[in-house]
Amino acid sequence: QKEVEQNSGPLSVPEGAIASLNCTYSDRGSQSFFWYRQYSGKSPELIMFIYSNGDKEDGRFTAQLNKASQYVSLLIRDSQPSDSATYLCAVENAGNNRKLIWGLGTSLAVNP
Amino acid sequence: DGGITQSPKYLFRKEGQNVTLSCEQNLNHDAMYWYRQDPGQGLRLIYYSQIVNDFQKGDIAEGYSVSREKKESFPLTVTSAQKNPTAFYLCATRGRTIGNEQFFGPGTRLTVL
Repeated sequence: QKEVEQNSGPLSVPEGAIASLNCTYSDRGSQSFFWYRQYSGKSPELIMFIYSNGDKEDGRFTAQLNKASQYVSLLIRDSQPSDSATYLCAVENAGNNRKLIWGLGTSLAVNP
Repeated sequence: DGGITQSPKYLFRKEGQNVTLSCEQNLNHDAMYWYRQDPGQGLRLIYYSQIVNDFQKGDIAEGYSVSREKKESFPLTVTSAQKNPTAFYLCATRGRTIGNEQFFGPGTRLTVL
Protein backbone atom coordinates (compact mmCIF):
# COMPACT_ATOMS: atom_id res chain seq x y z
CA GLN A 1 0.00 0.00 0.00
CA LYS A 2 1.52 3.26 -1.12
CA GLU A 3 1.27 5.84 1.61
CA VAL A 4 1.85 9.48 2.26
CA GLU A 5 2.16 10.53 5.88
CA GLN A 6 1.82 13.93 7.48
CA ASN A 7 1.55 15.07 11.08
CA SER A 8 -2.04 16.13 11.58
CA GLY A 9 -1.13 19.00 13.87
CA PRO A 10 -2.27 21.48 14.74
CA LEU A 11 1.03 23.21 14.20
CA SER A 12 0.96 26.56 15.90
CA VAL A 13 3.47 29.32 15.10
CA PRO A 14 3.60 33.03 15.91
CA GLU A 15 3.16 35.58 13.18
CA GLY A 16 6.44 36.26 11.39
CA ALA A 17 7.97 32.89 12.26
CA ILE A 18 8.94 30.07 9.91
CA ALA A 19 6.43 27.24 9.65
CA SER A 20 7.85 23.85 8.71
CA LEU A 21 5.55 21.16 7.36
CA ASN A 22 6.77 17.64 6.65
CA CYS A 23 5.61 14.75 4.52
CA THR A 24 7.03 11.25 4.11
CA TYR A 25 6.14 8.76 1.41
CA SER A 26 6.60 5.04 1.05
CA ASP A 27 6.99 4.48 -2.69
CA ARG A 28 10.58 4.96 -3.82
CA GLY A 29 9.39 5.24 -7.42
CA SER A 30 7.58 8.49 -6.69
CA GLN A 31 8.65 11.27 -8.99
CA SER A 32 6.41 14.30 -8.53
CA PHE A 33 5.47 16.00 -5.30
CA PHE A 34 2.84 18.63 -4.65
CA TRP A 35 1.82 20.92 -1.80
CA TYR A 36 -1.74 22.21 -1.64
CA ARG A 37 -3.38 24.59 0.80
CA GLN A 38 -6.99 24.13 1.85
CA TYR A 39 -8.97 26.67 3.82
CA SER A 40 -11.87 25.41 5.88
CA GLY A 41 -14.87 24.69 3.66
CA LYS A 42 -12.95 25.43 0.46
CA SER A 43 -11.25 23.33 -2.19
CA PRO A 44 -7.50 22.71 -2.26
CA GLU A 45 -5.31 25.14 -4.16
CA LEU A 46 -1.84 24.38 -5.44
CA ILE A 47 1.07 26.07 -3.69
CA MET A 48 3.91 24.44 -5.56
CA PHE A 49 5.34 21.26 -6.98
CA ILE A 50 8.84 19.81 -6.96
CA TYR A 51 10.56 17.05 -8.93
CA SER A 52 14.24 17.27 -8.20
CA ASN A 53 16.19 16.80 -5.01
CA GLY A 54 16.95 20.03 -3.25
CA ASP A 55 15.08 23.25 -2.66
CA LYS A 56 12.58 25.13 -4.77
CA GLU A 57 11.57 28.62 -3.73
CA ASP A 58 8.49 30.63 -4.66
CA GLY A 59 8.00 33.82 -2.70
CA ARG A 60 7.63 32.98 0.98
CA PHE A 61 7.36 29.27 0.25
CA THR A 62 10.19 26.77 -0.12
CA ALA A 63 9.71 23.12 -0.95
CA GLN A 64 12.49 20.71 -0.06
CA LEU A 65 12.80 17.22 -1.49
CA ASN A 66 15.04 14.41 -0.32
CA LYS A 67 14.37 11.28 -2.34
CA ALA A 68 16.96 9.20 -0.50
CA SER A 69 15.17 9.80 2.79
CA GLN A 70 11.74 9.85 1.12
CA TYR A 71 10.50 13.08 2.51
CA VAL A 72 9.33 16.39 1.19
CA SER A 73 8.83 19.49 3.28
CA LEU A 74 7.30 22.93 2.92
CA LEU A 75 8.72 25.98 4.66
CA ILE A 76 6.64 29.13 5.01
CA ARG A 77 8.71 32.17 5.89
CA ASP A 78 7.26 35.24 7.61
CA SER A 79 4.08 33.34 8.43
CA GLN A 80 0.88 35.37 8.34
CA PRO A 81 -2.51 34.70 9.96
CA SER A 82 -3.84 34.24 6.43
CA ASP A 83 -1.58 31.19 6.12
CA SER A 84 -3.73 29.41 8.69
CA ALA A 85 -5.11 26.44 6.79
CA THR A 86 -4.64 22.74 6.22
CA TYR A 87 -1.68 21.82 4.02
CA LEU A 88 -1.97 18.71 1.91
CA CYS A 89 0.96 16.77 0.51
CA ALA A 90 0.40 14.71 -2.66
CA VAL A 91 2.74 12.31 -4.40
CA GLU A 92 2.61 10.89 -7.89
CA ASN A 93 4.19 7.65 -8.95
CA ALA A 94 5.20 7.54 -12.58
CA GLY A 95 3.39 4.28 -13.21
CA ASN A 96 0.22 5.13 -11.33
CA ASN A 97 -1.96 6.34 -14.20
CA ARG A 98 -1.31 9.94 -13.16
CA LYS A 99 -3.16 9.43 -9.89
CA LEU A 100 -1.99 11.24 -6.81
CA ILE A 101 -1.61 9.69 -3.39
CA TRP A 102 -2.73 12.20 -0.74
CA GLY A 103 -1.68 12.73 2.83
CA LEU A 104 -4.30 13.60 5.44
CA GLY A 105 -2.95 17.11 5.80
CA THR A 106 -1.36 19.23 8.53
CA SER A 107 -3.39 21.96 10.18
CA LEU A 108 -1.41 25.19 10.60
CA ALA A 109 -2.43 28.02 12.91
CA VAL A 110 -0.51 31.31 12.72
CA ASN A 111 -1.13 33.39 15.81
CA PRO A 112 -1.07 37.21 15.62
CA ASP B 1 -13.08 33.04 -17.83
CA GLY B 2 -11.24 29.72 -17.54
CA GLY B 3 -11.80 27.27 -14.77
CA ILE B 4 -13.72 24.44 -13.27
CA THR B 5 -17.32 24.80 -12.19
CA GLN B 6 -19.24 22.49 -9.94
CA SER B 7 -22.91 22.70 -9.29
CA PRO B 8 -24.76 22.91 -7.10
CA LYS B 9 -22.65 24.26 -4.24
CA TYR B 10 -24.95 22.68 -1.65
CA LEU B 11 -27.21 19.71 -2.24
CA PHE B 12 -29.69 18.00 0.01
CA ARG B 13 -31.00 14.58 -0.76
CA LYS B 14 -33.41 12.19 0.83
CA GLU B 15 -32.30 8.68 1.53
CA GLY B 16 -32.94 6.35 -1.38
CA GLN B 17 -32.63 9.02 -4.05
CA ASN B 18 -30.01 9.21 -6.76
CA VAL B 19 -28.40 12.57 -7.34
CA THR B 20 -26.02 13.88 -10.02
CA LEU B 21 -23.22 16.33 -9.33
CA SER B 22 -22.03 18.45 -12.22
CA CYS B 23 -18.42 19.20 -13.13
CA GLU B 24 -17.56 21.33 -16.16
CA GLN B 25 -14.17 22.64 -17.28
CA ASN B 26 -12.97 24.94 -20.03
CA LEU B 27 -9.26 24.41 -19.42
CA ASN B 28 -9.00 21.86 -22.25
CA HIS B 29 -7.59 19.36 -19.77
CA ASP B 30 -7.66 15.69 -20.66
CA ALA B 31 -7.85 14.14 -17.22
CA MET B 32 -10.66 14.65 -14.74
CA TYR B 33 -11.11 13.27 -11.24
CA TRP B 34 -13.76 12.97 -8.56
CA TYR B 35 -12.78 12.96 -4.90
CA ARG B 36 -14.69 12.69 -1.70
CA GLN B 37 -13.55 14.42 1.48
CA ASP B 38 -14.89 13.67 4.95
CA PRO B 39 -13.98 15.56 8.14
CA GLY B 40 -10.61 14.44 9.44
CA GLN B 41 -9.93 12.38 6.36
CA GLY B 42 -7.92 13.07 3.29
CA LEU B 43 -9.03 13.10 -0.31
CA ARG B 44 -10.31 9.74 -1.49
CA LEU B 45 -10.51 9.04 -5.20
CA ILE B 46 -13.90 7.91 -6.50
CA TYR B 47 -13.44 7.81 -10.29
CA TYR B 48 -11.10 9.29 -12.84
CA SER B 49 -11.01 9.72 -16.58
CA GLN B 50 -7.98 10.34 -18.74
CA ILE B 51 -9.75 10.67 -22.09
CA VAL B 52 -13.27 11.02 -23.41
CA ASN B 53 -15.40 7.86 -23.28
CA ASP B 54 -13.04 6.20 -20.83
CA PHE B 55 -12.93 6.16 -17.04
CA GLN B 56 -11.58 4.02 -14.22
CA LYS B 57 -12.64 3.24 -10.70
CA GLY B 58 -10.75 4.83 -7.89
CA ASP B 59 -10.42 3.62 -4.34
CA ILE B 60 -14.06 4.07 -3.28
CA ALA B 61 -16.18 3.67 -6.43
CA GLU B 62 -18.95 1.56 -4.91
CA GLY B 63 -22.28 3.37 -4.99
CA TYR B 64 -21.12 5.93 -7.55
CA SER B 65 -21.22 6.16 -11.33
CA VAL B 66 -19.75 8.54 -13.91
CA SER B 67 -19.77 9.29 -17.61
CA ARG B 68 -17.34 11.13 -19.88
CA GLU B 69 -19.14 11.86 -23.11
CA LYS B 70 -17.47 15.23 -23.62
CA LYS B 71 -14.02 16.47 -22.77
CA GLU B 72 -15.50 19.35 -20.81
CA SER B 73 -17.87 17.39 -18.61
CA PHE B 74 -17.52 14.62 -16.01
CA PRO B 75 -20.74 14.25 -14.00
CA LEU B 76 -20.88 12.07 -10.90
CA THR B 77 -24.04 10.22 -9.85
CA VAL B 78 -24.38 9.26 -6.23
CA THR B 79 -26.74 6.32 -6.16
CA SER B 80 -28.92 4.99 -3.40
CA ALA B 81 -26.42 2.15 -3.04
CA GLN B 82 -23.91 4.55 -1.47
CA LYS B 83 -24.43 3.93 2.24
CA ASN B 84 -22.96 7.13 3.64
CA PRO B 85 -23.01 9.78 0.93
CA THR B 86 -22.90 12.90 3.10
CA ALA B 87 -19.55 14.49 2.25
CA PHE B 88 -17.72 17.24 0.38
CA TYR B 89 -17.25 16.26 -3.28
CA LEU B 90 -14.40 17.72 -5.27
CA CYS B 91 -13.84 17.60 -9.01
CA ALA B 92 -10.33 18.10 -10.34
CA THR B 93 -8.67 18.31 -13.73
CA ARG B 94 -5.15 17.78 -14.91
CA GLY B 95 -3.55 18.99 -18.09
CA ARG B 96 -0.27 18.15 -19.70
CA THR B 97 1.57 21.10 -18.24
CA ILE B 98 5.09 21.08 -16.93
CA GLY B 99 3.85 20.56 -13.42
CA ASN B 100 1.12 18.05 -14.26
CA GLU B 101 -0.64 19.42 -11.23
CA GLN B 102 -4.32 18.94 -10.47
CA PHE B 103 -6.69 21.89 -10.29
CA PHE B 104 -9.82 21.74 -8.21
CA GLY B 105 -13.32 23.05 -8.63
CA PRO B 106 -15.07 24.77 -5.71
CA GLY B 107 -16.76 21.56 -4.55
CA THR B 108 -20.28 20.38 -3.80
CA ARG B 109 -21.38 19.69 -0.26
CA LEU B 110 -23.92 16.86 -0.26
CA THR B 111 -26.11 16.20 2.76
CA VAL B 112 -28.43 13.24 3.00
CA LEU B 113 -31.46 13.94 5.15
